[in-house]
Formats: sequence, C-alpha cells, structure tokens
Amino acid sequence: SQTIHQWPATLVQPVGSPLSLECTVEGTSNPNLYWYRQAAGRGLQLLFYSVGIGQISSEVPQNLSASRPQDRQFILSSKKLLLSDSGFYLCAWRGGGDTQYFGPGTRLTVL
Amino acid sequence: AQSVTQLDSQVPVFEEAPVELRCNYSSSVSVYLFWYVQYPNQGLQLLLKYLSGSTLVKGINGFEAEFNKSQTSFHLRKPSVHISDTAEYFCAVSDPGNFNKFYFGSGTKLNVKP
Repeated sequence: SQTIHQWPATLVQPVGSPLSLECTVEGTSNPNLYWYRQAAGRGLQLLFYSVGIGQISSEVPQNLSASRPQDRQFILSSKKLLLSDSGFYLCAWRGGGDTQYFGPGTRLTVL
Repeated sequence: AQSVTQLDSQVPVFEEAPVELRCNYSSSVSVYLFWYVQYPNQGLQLLLKYLSGSTLVKGINGFEAEFNKSQTSFHLRKPSVHISDTAEYFCAVSDPGNFNKFYFGSGTKLNVKP
C-alpha cells in the first residue's frame, strides 16, 4: 500500500531564515505530487504540483519554491521566510480516480 | 476556475443527533467531488468521493453524501454522530479535464457535544 511521509512535523523558524520541507511517497512510482498550505481558519491553497522528476508547476507566486529531485521526493523551500509563511503545509499524491491522498503535514511557525 | 462554498463555518450538534454539512460548487460541467476530514494537527483523510454513477455515495465512519447536479451540491450527512466525529470537514472539487487542480472549500468545524 502507499504511504506518504512529511518531515519535520513541526518547525519554528525566525523571519529571514531558510526553509526546507520534505515529502516522500512509498508504494507507487511516478506519482503526481502536490504542496498545499493551510492558513489558520482557511481552506487549502495549492502552492505547487509536479508530474515528474524536475517538473514543477507553480500556482501562487511567492517566496517559496519547490523541487523534485527524485521520483518519490518533493521538497518545498524558501531562501528567506516571511511571517506570512506560517501555516500548516500538506503534501499530497494523486491516486486512482483523481483522488488526492495527504500526508500528516508540517506545522511551520515563523517568528 | 471552480469555487467551492461551505456556508457553515461551524456546526454544533449533540451526540447521536443527525447532521448535514453543506457544500455547493460553482461549475455545471462534469466534476469529481470529495469530502475529507481533518483532525487537529493531522493531514486530511478521505471520507468519500463521487466520480460517476449513483448519486448517493457512502463513505467511512457512517458518512454519506448526495450529489445533486441541478443544485450543484454535494452535502455530507450522518444519521447519528459520535463525539469522535468532532473534526473539520472539507469539501473539494476537481475538474476531470484538469486533474491537477483541486478546489477546496473553507471547511466546516463539526463540534459534537455530549
């Protein structure tokens, strides 16, 4: 069966510091992968998606970037964090019936 | 682009009472519809989905939803809720012609009281 992992689970970073969040999927090959952000009291905002290694589509222009160095690895990065980057970051992969399955998430607090 | 509306941001209900969480979407073209549940500080878990076929869809934990094309709605129901159903529920829509884009509602917090 397929499993999706995210780490770290929680992160507290100062403004202006870099960021790297990692997502990996097991049990499937060449999955479509997604990064979402969930701000407090809001729904999910799609940030990036990837259909294959090295392929990244950006949905929202901002100071975040994504990379897909391996088939089942998806990384979300920033060179300099802003206060507004705080939130709950969720990674997802696309399964059968166009269903998206989510990881456990990373809680990011920028101080 | 699609938009998804969950009019109720919070729904308080007593244990063993029935509940309906409402979801409406904007487009009249064919769509796929989903309900997810999120417990505090966790990811989203798929409750149920409608892709085609019967308009009444049954999911996990005793939930069901009914697709109504004419009203562009996909309301979630449970005949008798439990304390453990306390969570936030998200409705989502994907366009079969653009499967990389899911549109989520803003969520409904279900608070089940004893």
